[in-house]
Amino acid sequence: AQKVTQAQTEISVVEKEDVTLDCVYETRDTTYYLFWYKQPPSGELVFLIRRNSFDEQNEISGRYSWNFQKSTSSFNFTITASQVVDSAVYFCALSELRDSGGSYIPTFGRGTSLIVHP
Amino acid sequence: AAGVIQSPRHLIKEKRETATLKCYPIPRHDTVYWYQQGPGQDPQFLISFYEKMQSDKGSIPDRFSAQQFSDYHSELNMSSLELGDSALYFCASSFFQGHHSNTGELFFGEGSRLTVL
Repeated sequence: AQKVTQAQTEISVVEKEDVTLDCVYETRDTTYYLFWYKQPPSGELVFLIRRNSFDEQNEISGRYSWNFQKSTSSFNFTITASQVVDSAVYFCALSELRDSGGSYIPTFGRGTSLIVHP
Repeated sequence: AAGVIQSPRHLIKEKRETATLKCYPIPRHDTVYWYQQGPGQDPQFLISFYEKMQSDKGSIPDRFSAQQFSDYHSELNMSSLELGDSALYFCASSFFQGHHSNTGELFFGEGSRLTVL
């Protein structure tokens, strides 16, 4: 079963629109970590944010904001006033404590491809 | 700041050949992770090493092996390559601070793109 679900495969918006990327996760752990990564066309994975399960405060960083809601197991990402440079694939990831090695290793969702048109 | 260095960035091989990818972690990072990302797919965890010992194992095929050396760099060896091995291979590193403080915040390299013809 997919532990991280990004139901939106592709989103297409026009520049300056706001856009929200959804992420729903599944875990039985009480301690876990959530991440968002950006993968531009060049291919590298760019870290955007980390959230631990005990911190439900929403966070804003410039045009980016994140809404973490444990009640719905969601960690959604909003880009305000989108720009063409925001075009990329965005991955949500969940880190749980692995039984095998005792460390946290991210499991990624399938990603959402965001296309921002000028 | 120094980042994770992967080499080569691009590699083309024929079926049944072998390939080796190298990863140089961020200085002072002691843990290395390998991920495989197929076309249009999400990155899948393969294997990780801490202090030269394998620490966790994911979906790494038996044809693949990896190791971490005394300078903490890691190599992923892939043998009997198949068309399906064509993918972007990411290495990531982190500094292990103890089980409950190692939060899985990995620093990724730019990836090595393997094409198998």
